[in-house]
Amino acid sequence: NAGVMQNPRHLVRRRGQEARLRCSPMKGHSHVYWYRQLPEEGLKFMVYLQKENIIDESGMPKERFSAEFPKEGPSILRIQQVVRGDSAAYFCASSPGQGGHEQYFGPGTRLTVT
Amino acid sequence: RKEVEQDPGPFNVPEGATVAFNCTYSNSASQSFFWYRQDCRKEPKLLMSVYSSGNEDGRFTAQLNRASQYISLLIRDSKLSDSATYLCVGLLSGGYNKLIFGAGTRLAVHP
Repeated sequence: NAGVMQNPRHLVRRRGQEARLRCSPMKGHSHVYWYRQLPEEGLKFMVYLQKENIIDESGMPKERFSAEFPKEGPSILRIQQVVRGDSAAYFCASSPGQGGHEQYFGPGTRLTVT
Repeated sequence: RKEVEQDPGPFNVPEGATVAFNCTYSNSASQSFFWYRQDCRKEPKLLMSVYSSGNEDGRFTAQLNRASQYISLLIRDSKLSDSATYLCVGLLSGGYNKLIFGAGTRLAVHP
């Protein structure tokens, strides 16, 4: 039973480019969460999605960031026109359903903006 | 004020030592609490849930005091492999399912 999968594991983008981060939840999990960890800081919640629905995006920056979890395929976190301050580790987690108290994390994508 | 606050450490202890981490939270809407462990540049992994009655898992004991909004983790007989960052985490429920992470406490166990 594969765990949460994220790709790419490492992503380098120049300022102004777009970054697309992918997350495939654990089999049987329909809830996905994205968190961001800046260097030397704790993880910060960004967005909570179910299939085809954004449930809570209170942690998402108002501009340039978007997330989706389509009916088929992985969840995507998209960052447009990246800036150096977007450099961070982006972790995806999934849970089987309501409650969300057991969230299983993927290995993360380390985004570096040059 | 941060919603979940932890002493960042580092805690440097010899093998076999007992070490205690503390954590306070400010959001009373957090209904559940956990300790996660994060190794350098890796994903956080659930170590244990925390209950008011206290719970123990081998060498690890966790305790929650809702009146004081205080959470603790005790590690007995420390091993080299316990070296990691320990994250105190609250879950905002009521449909939010949002984990609120503390910044973490670093533990280094030396021979």
